[in-house]
Amino acid sequence: GESVGLHLPTLSVQEGDNSIINCAYSNSASDYFIWYKQESGKGPQFIIDIRSNMDKRQGQRVTVLLNKTVKHLSLQIAATQPGDSAVYFCAENRGGATNKLIFGTGTLLAVQP
Amino acid sequence: DTGVSQDPRHKITKRGQNVTFRCDPISEHNRLYWYRQTLGQGPEFLTYFQNEAQLEKSRLLSDRFSAERPKGSFSTLEIQRTEQGDSAMYLCASSSGTENTEAFFGQGTRLTVV
Repeated sequence: GESVGLHLPTLSVQEGDNSIINCAYSNSASDYFIWYKQESGKGPQFIIDIRSNMDKRQGQRVTVLLNKTVKHLSLQIAATQPGDSAVYFCAENRGGATNKLIFGTGTLLAVQP
Repeated sequence: DTGVSQDPRHKITKRGQNVTFRCDPISEHNRLYWYRQTLGQGPEFLTYFQNEAQLEKSRLLSDRFSAERPKGSFSTLEIQRTEQGDSAMYLCASSSGTENTEAFFGQGTRLTVV
């Protein structure tokens, strides 16, 4: 898998600031991408998705940017709140019959009050 | 609650024992997935069901692991002769039959093998 051990990349931000979490994906054939938020002891929670025919998609306080040229995905969170503190994962769907997800390395977002 | 439900939430078992986990997907979802997540890592795909048919199994799914979805609704994941390396969070997810739609995850079953 894509394991990187126990030390997650960490992003520490002040409450109210904007956060940007980055993700590199591996397969140029992937055509659908999802960002998940995972709080301690819970399952991943869907945040926002984007298809490969788009380069930007906005939700409530969140924006996902997709750069297919360099296989890069980012999640922007506006006005970060303490409740946003969690591990964030990007996942790529390589299509095919199963639509299984391949998860990237998570990023721990720590929001300082 | 109409989300994905998993039972139990936590399981502690002795090495060598068998364990079985249950997943109830969102009712209209015909796609069901099992993933395994170890500390500090993202979920890793284990197996996939479309209705009652198991269509894909990962190499991670050793012979000690078996999954079923007998009526195309709930699913079970059994681990026989558990080993300490099986300790992980086992996550179930479901999605609709439409291509490129989000998968919804349950809260997971945390397995600890002692």
